[in-house]
Amino acid sequence: DGGITQSPKYLFRKEGQNVTLSCEQNLNHDAMYWYRQDPGQGLRLIYYSQIVNDFQKGDIAEGYSVSREKKESFPLTVTSAQKNPTAFYLCASSKGMVGDTQYFGPGTRLTVL
Amino acid sequence: DQQVKQNSPSLSVQEGRISILNCDYTNSMFDYFLWYKKYPAEGPTFLISISSIKDKNEDGRFTVFLNKSAKHLSLHIVPSQPGDSAVYFCAAKDGNNNDMRFGAGTRLTVKP
Repeated sequence: DGGITQSPKYLFRKEGQNVTLSCEQNLNHDAMYWYRQDPGQGLRLIYYSQIVNDFQKGDIAEGYSVSREKKESFPLTVTSAQKNPTAFYLCASSKGMVGDTQYFGPGTRLTVL
Repeated sequence: DQQVKQNSPSLSVQEGRISILNCDYTNSMFDYFLWYKKYPAEGPTFLISISSIKDKNEDGRFTVFLNKSAKHLSLHIVPSQPGDSAVYFCAAKDGNNNDMRFGAGTRLTVKP
């Protein structure tokens, strides 16, 4: 079945540690995105990538890093520089960019202790 | 800078009645609007969309209305079912830009 997978569903880390969240899609989509959801707020864009080996910062990129070495994969690293890393992280993909519907993965809830 | 606003954090309706979820935006460059539905601990799923060249789009029980002059869109669900209970996000895109702006969401509860 085609879709977007994120793993793990729940992740716990100690403060000061970097952690990488996985996002894989087999939809043959060119564009991929990372969002963060906090209670009472909409989804906020962290990073997005239109094509392999290219990515741009979103609204809240500080403390995060990404890579896009393969079309199917867009991992997000939450670094120790991110001041409030505990959140629900959502990965999405779309066929292209402008006007294309984004399809979301199931999300990863990261808790930093 | 919240360009997409959903001013009602929650809405409760009776099964079989109409649910109306509202969304306002400030950026006149937005030309494509979407509604997503989200269950707890899951990713949002696409529900329905509308281009700025239209004022209405219907898909089964779901209809989205767009009022460009008022910068307002709404999602109507008729008839509402208990399985519709979820958080609904409004989103908007600028055709010249690459990101999508989301509202804060409205939690819909449909009571049996």
